[in-house]
Amino acid sequence: DAGVIQSPRHEVTEMGQEVTLRCKPISGHDYLFWYRQTMMRGLELLIYFNNNVPIDDSGMPEDRFSAKMPNASFSTLKIQPSEPRDSAVYFCASSPTGTDTQYFGPGTRLTVL
Amino acid sequence: SQQGEEDPQALSIQEGENATMNCSYKTSINNLQWYRQNSGRGLVHLILIRSNEREKHSGRLRVTLDTSKKSSSLLITASRAADTASYFCAPVSNDYKLSFGAGTTVTVRA
Repeated sequence: DAGVIQSPRHEVTEMGQEVTLRCKPISGHDYLFWYRQTMMRGLELLIYFNNNVPIDDSGMPEDRFSAKMPNASFSTLKIQPSEPRDSAVYFCASSPTGTDTQYFGPGTRLTVL
Repeated sequence: SQQGEEDPQALSIQEGENATMNCSYKTSINNLQWYRQNSGRGLVHLILIRSNEREKHSGRLRVTLDTSKKSSSLLITASRAADTASYFCAPVSNDYKLSFGAGTTVTVRA
């Protein structure tokens, strides 16, 4: 298996632009998690899905952030409009069950100018 | 959910020495996981220890869990330069959320 795939690996955009991050989980994993990592706040859970359904989005910072999982093999995290404080590394992870090992993707490094 | 808190924040050791880091958490758990992150990379799962287990080994890694003290430790034996990384513990409650602490940054000197 190729593992969790994220794209793009790097994204540089200007304030106010829409940003879409993509994730392909490991096949057969029922859970998908989105995290954000910054120096100031560390690694934060933003939202997670079970069988394509959002279960807990309490970590989503504000309405500018939205996440979808239209099918078992694809998820997106969208920021609209983006702000400089959104600059971070965004990780996607998947897991066969909710409490077992999570497999992380390589991350998307987002820079908002 | 709850957050694991790692101690120490940073650790510098000589190659071949052992490295020990600790994790504390606050409420009951389903399991506790340890992850490693090399600079600029994603997190890699190292080991999972369930709440009814007290000790677990994987290669040069040894993890202990004391649920009465709500603490865990990770021991890396015979460290190598490649072990230089940040290490995170993630206690997992039944709400499925992993909450990572700030991590322990380990530097292995040649």
